[in-house]
Amino acid sequence: DTEVTQTPKHLVMGMTNKKSLKCEQHMGHRAMYWYKQKAKKPPELMFVYSYEKLSINESVPSRFSPECPNSSLLNLHLHALQPEDSALYLCASSPGERFQRTEGRGYTFGSGTRLTVV
Amino acid sequence: AQSVSQHNHHVILSEAASLELGCNYSYGGTVNLFWYVQYPGQHLQLLLKYFSGDPLVKGIKGFEAEFIKSKFSFNLRKPSVQWSDTAEYFCAVIPPTGTASKLTFGTGTRLQVTL
Repeated sequence: DTEVTQTPKHLVMGMTNKKSLKCEQHMGHRAMYWYKQKAKKPPELMFVYSYEKLSINESVPSRFSPECPNSSLLNLHLHALQPEDSALYLCASSPGERFQRTEGRGYTFGSGTRLTVV
Repeated sequence: AQSVSQHNHHVILSEAASLELGCNYSYGGTVNLFWYVQYPGQHLQLLLKYFSGDPLVKGIKGFEAEFIKSKFSFNLRKPSVQWSDTAEYFCAVIPPTGTASKLTFGTGTRLQVTL
């Protein structure tokens, strides 16, 4: 199994809703990431979890709240979003720092959740 | 600021033409380098990666890239493009070991292959 699975694939939510994006991988990777991608732009890093601990928060607004319940799962909780938060949200995983010499720090990306805030 | 640069924003080629997309980075030390492709409406796929060894890296779909350390470059090449190669191509870099693992993307190059 060499996939990163994201659910849902599409999500439409109102500005007062609370929703969650989910990401799962079973490759034994110990680093997981959330990226945001606007149309015709490169992905922008939001959060990094390394060995289930939050290691990077790229000054993301608190209306986005990440959670890593275990080494295979990564969630992104959404609350009180704005229309400008509409984007493709990508999850990725990588082996982690300990494996950098043998595997490089290659990332595997999920297909993304296309989020529309109305 | 340290960054990744892709100077070709939009490239239009005819089928069977040769392709070279530029990528330059400004980090010192040992970096991990990647090329990703994103077909219209689809997710990012890894074309190839370099982290050590032979600087000429062969990837999927007939793509290759050459790491030239002295030029801080990692250009993507394909001898003969196909219409199905129409996509957005992103170069990406992970800075040297010791820095927080942070895959940073270039701005992307849109490749359009005409029949």
